[in-house]
Amino acid sequence: AQTVTQSQPEMSVQEAETVTLSCTYDTSESDYYLFWYKQPPSRQMILVIRQEAYKQQNATENRFSVNFQKAAKSFSLKISDSQLGDAAMYFCAWGEWDAGNMLTFGGGTRLMVKP
Amino acid sequence: DAGITQSPRYKITETGRQVTLMCHQTWSHSYMFWYRQDLGHGLRLIYYSAAADITDKGEVPDGYVVSRSKTENFPLTLESATRSQTSVYFCASSERTSVYEQYFGPGTRLTVT
Repeated sequence: AQTVTQSQPEMSVQEAETVTLSCTYDTSESDYYLFWYKQPPSRQMILVIRQEAYKQQNATENRFSVNFQKAAKSFSLKISDSQLGDAAMYFCAWGEWDAGNMLTFGGGTRLMVKP
Repeated sequence: DAGITQSPRYKITETGRQVTLMCHQTWSHSYMFWYRQDLGHGLRLIYYSAAADITDKGEVPDGYVVSRSKTENFPLTLESATRSQTSVYFCASSERTSVYEQYFGPGTRLTVT
C-alpha cells in the first residue's frame, strides 16, 4: 500500500516570512500525481497545488511552490510571504495514474501564522 | 446550488442506530468518494465509485455501506453506528481527466454517543 508521511504535526511562521512543509511518500509506481490541499477552520478542502510525476519542473501557484524530488520521494510545499489567511491544516496527497482516481493522504500539518 | 453538497452538516446519533449521510454533486463527475477524517490520520478512503452502480472498498470500509443508483448521488450508510465511527466525513468527486483533482464537499461531523 502507498503511504504518505508528513513529519511535522505543527509549524509556525511569522507573517511575510517563508515556510516549508515537508511530505514524503512511498510508491513503486512511476506515473502518479501529488497534491497539497489546504483545510482552513471552515473544514473546506481546497486544492493548493498539484504536481505530475512525469514533469521535472516544479509546480508554482502564486506564493505557493513545491520542491519535487522524485528519486527521494519527497514533495515539500513552500509558502512565500505568508499571510494570516494561510493559517490552516495542510495535507499532502498522492494519486496513481489510472487507478480509480483514489488519493492517499498524509496526516496533515497545522500551520500557524503569527502577526 | 452548483458543486458538491453534503447533508446533514452535523449529526448526533446513538450507538446501534442506522444513519445515512447524503452527498450530491452537480457536475456529472464519474468518480465519487467517501473519506473520514480523524485527528492524526488525515483523510482515509472508505468507499469510492467509478460510475453509477459501480462501487468499491477503500482503506476503511468496515461498518459502512454505499450505493450509487444515480451519477449525482452517493449516500453513505452506517448500518449500526459505533463510537469509533465518530468522525468528520467528506464526500468528493472527480472527473476522469489527466489531472485527477478531487473536489470536496463541506463535510459532515458525526457524533455517535
